Amino acid sequence: AQSVSQHNHHVILSEAASLELGCNYSYGGTVNLFWYVQYPGQHLQLLLKYFSGDPLVKGIKGFEAEFIKSKFSFNLRKPSVQWSDTAEYFCAVNSMDTGRRALTFGSGTRLQVQP
Amino acid sequence: DAGVIQSPRHEVTEMGQEVTLRCKPISGHNSLFWYRQTMMRGLELLIYFNNNVPIDDSGMPEDRFSAKMPNASFSTLKIQPSEPRDSAVYFCASKNSGTPYEQYFGPGTRLTVT
Repeated sequence: AQSVSQHNHHVILSEAASLELGCNYSYGGTVNLFWYVQYPGQHLQLLLKYFSGDPLVKGIKGFEAEFIKSKFSFNLRKPSVQWSDTAEYFCAVNSMDTGRRALTFGSGTRLQVQP
Repeated sequence: DAGVIQSPRHEVTEMGQEVTLRCKPISGHNSLFWYRQTMMRGLELLIYFNNNVPIDDSGMPEDRFSAKMPNASFSTLKIQPSEPRDSAVYFCASKNSGTPYEQYFGPGTRLTVT
């Protein structure tokens, strides 16, 4: 069964600091990868996604993520965070090979950006 | 597009009562998912439907939980009887075949069972 690990549970940064959130998945086949963001009191929104092609994916609000197949990783990055980036971030994976349409989510990383 | 619609947004009920959560997927989407979010367990898939047919219900915790999708525009998740450990935020999400695996989430229903 596929699983997703997010090792950073709670990250506190100051504004303008650089961000990198780790995401590792366990499945060895072909995968689709996602980062979702959940702002306080709101629902999950898609931040970016990787299906194929360029492993460096750019999303909304200046976020990007890099798919490194050899490391089973899909880390999220942002060069300079803002207070408005305070939210919970979820990495998710879907296996293309099984045809299972549902996503498997990581446990989430709570990001707190201090002004 | 109104997005995925869920109701109610908040539900407070007493242990033993029946709870029904409702979801209206985005028009044209043919897959619908129910997730539960808790502090302890994070986001868990409960069940998903494709073309109104339940495909994978392995995440449904126990027989007290049931889900239906009578048509393409409506789904319910029912808990009977409810227990305090069912307190969580329940999300509904939908997708269509044109956006492989990209799901759109509703605002969630925050359920509190006392």
